[in-house]
Amino acid sequence: EAGVTQFPSHSVIEKGQTVTLRCDPISGHDNLYWYRRVMGKEIKFLLHFVKESKQDESGMPNNRFLAERTGGTYSTLKVQPAELEDSGVYFCASSRYSGEAFFGQGTRLTVV
Amino acid sequence: AQKITQTQPGMFVQEKEAVTLDCTYDTSDPSYGLFWYKQPSSGEMIFLIYQGSYDQQNATEGRYSLNFQKARKSANLVISASQLGDSAMYFCAIDRGSTLGRLYFGRGTQLTVWP
Repeated sequence: EAGVTQFPSHSVIEKGQTVTLRCDPISGHDNLYWYRRVMGKEIKFLLHFVKESKQDESGMPNNRFLAERTGGTYSTLKVQPAELEDSGVYFCASSRYSGEAFFGQGTRLTVV
Repeated sequence: AQKITQTQPGMFVQEKEAVTLDCTYDTSDPSYGLFWYKQPSSGEMIFLIYQGSYDQQNATEGRYSLNFQKARKSANLVISASQLGDSAMYFCAIDRGSTLGRLYFGRGTQLTVWP
């Protein structure tokens, strides 16, 4: 069984550009979560999908961040326009039930 | 308010020795779950162990065990017989039950195992 996969693994973009991160959850997992770790700080929740619906998006920092999960399969997280403080590692996780969540390897985003 | 506290930014242990990584939590939810994840230098987050708030016994998974003290709100991870490959960042996290699987993480503990 394939694990959670994230693309790209690294991204370096200039301030003001747009970046789209993708997450492919484990097949059959209805729950999909996005988290972010800014350098030296704790991992923070961004949002939670149940299938294609946003269950909780209270962790999204501002309206420059847009997450989608069309068809309840893979999800994208778009940052537009990117700012320096958006740099960090973005993790995606999926779970079948609200319990053990399996994480992807993360996308390291650097905004310069 | 911080939900998970990991007071040890870094820990060192000699190979084959046991080590305890501390974690305390804060929640008023009667039902919750506690998790430990390992993040090696390669970056992925690896699930290690889970403890449910109603579980009577401490969770164990191979060399990992969770010392769960509910009254003290602590969920320390014990790694027995440390190996060089255990060197990594370790995160404690809580699923507060009321938040449908959303995890709150601590800041992590960087464990270094030396030969």
